Amino acid sequence: GAGVSQSPRYKVAKRGQDVALRCDPISGHVSLFWYQQALGQGPEFLTYFQNEAQLDKSGLPSDRFFAERPEGSVSTLKIQRTQQEDSAVYLCASSLDATTGELFFGEGSRLTVL
Amino acid sequence: QKEVEQDPGPLSVPEGAIVSLNCTYSNSAFQYFMWYRQYSRKGPELLMYTYSSGNKEDGRFTAQVDKSSKYISLFIRDSQPSDSATYLCAMSPGNNRKLIWGLGTSLAVNP
Repeated sequence: GAGVSQSPRYKVAKRGQDVALRCDPISGHVSLFWYQQALGQGPEFLTYFQNEAQLDKSGLPSDRFFAERPEGSVSTLKIQRTQQEDSAVYLCASSLDATTGELFFGEGSRLTVL
Repeated sequence: QKEVEQDPGPLSVPEGAIVSLNCTYSNSAFQYFMWYRQYSRKGPELLMYTYSSGNKEDGRFTAQVDKSSKYISLFIRDSQPSDSATYLCAMSPGNNRKLIWGLGTSLAVNP
C-alpha cells in the first residue's frame, strides 16, 4: 500500500492477556519507529529499528514489551501480561532516511485493557 | 517539569482568523523542530520541519524557532474549518530517531 498500515486498528484485551500489534511500513523505508500515545498526551518513543537491527529500545516501559523486525520490513510489537496502564494508541512510523527523513505515521492500534 | 511544554487548549477561533500555537522547551541541545497535525483517530502528519533558529513559510503556515528563548511557534493564516485538529510540536537533538513531543493543542475553526 501507499502508506504505513497497522493492524488491528482496535484491540480489547483482558488484563493478563498477551497482544501482538503489527506494522507494515512504506516499502523501501529503512527506519521504523514505535510510539505510545496515551489519551490526551503526545506520543512517547518506544523503540527504533534501522532495517532489522533494533538500535534503540530505551523507551520500552518494561520487559513485558518486545518488538521485532526480523526481515527489515514488517514489525511486530508484543505486550505480554497486559495491564490497564498499557491502554493507549500504539503508533508505528517509517522513514526512508535513517537520520533526518520525514516520519510517516500509520493510523495506530488502539489497545484497551479491561 | 516536562522537556517540552504545550498548552493543550482547546482553542476555538472563527474561520479566517490567524492562529498562533506555541511550545517551550528546556533542552538546549534540541536542533530539529517539527509541527505535526493529528486528526481524530488518525496518525500525526508532518506540517513543518525546521532546523535551528529562524522562520519557515509554507502556504498558510509559518513556523518560527527562537532558540535563545527556547520557544517555537506555528502560525496559521486564513484558518479554515478543515484546519480543526490537534497540533503537536516535536523536537530532537540531532536526528529524528527519538522525537520529544508536546501534549498537543486542540484547535477548532468555526465556520
